[in-house]
Amino acid sequence: QEQLVQSGADVKKPGASVKVSCKASGYTFTGYYIHWVRQAPGQGLEWMGRINPNSGGTDPAQKFQDRVTMTRDTSLNTAYMELSSLRSDDTAVYFCARSPLFGAIIDLWGRGTLVTVSS
Amino acid sequence: DIQMTQSPSSLSASVGDRVTITCRASQSIFTYLNWYQQKPGKAPELLVYAVSNLQSGVPLRFIGSGSGTDFTLTITNLQLQDFATYYCQQSFNTLGITFGQGTRLEI
Repeated sequence: QEQLVQSGADVKKPGASVKVSCKASGYTFTGYYIHWVRQAPGQGLEWMGRINPNSGGTDPAQKFQDRVTMTRDTSLNTAYMELSSLRSDDTAVYFCARSPLFGAIIDLWGRGTLVTVSS
Repeated sequence: DIQMTQSPSSLSASVGDRVTITCRASQSIFTYLNWYQQKPGKAPELLVYAVSNLQSGVPLRFIGSGSGTDFTLTITNLQLQDFATYYCQQSFNTLGITFGQGTRLEI
């Protein structure tokens, strides 16, 4: 069935970087955007950006433009999100999700990856 | 970015009740409005897209309406499995997707 499987939880120190992976299966990886959305503990959903797995083109949210790098490996059907210069308020669950290339209706989500930033 | 404001932030109801959640956009988003349901410890799930279209498998007791800047999600005949947090999301500005702050529906 269609699914997005994310990498496991991670703990990082302030100032470090984290890279989260998202492996797609059950559908054509290059036919859908992959979005990254995060959720701090007890908080709402925050969109970080998207990547077009077909072209590799990215659209990061303005807030994260300087710190987020989204990439993909089409041979592995996997997307990656790297967030640099981590701070304590980056502690959150990071979700990957997909939408059709012609819109932003997010119809499939990964289970999320908890990233904890702590000294 | 387009700001999305939901009300109320939380809501208490009982099984069998009818409830309505409101979502307001800071500018017209026409009908580019989607609703998601999230249960504790789980990923969000698409519930309603383009204002009023139910995602496959979503019961008919979920009803979405609105256009422009004002939207509602109504849930009739509340069931136990409906108690969750609901988020609206605008997909008009695809380079700056934004969500409402969420509405927690409690028993």
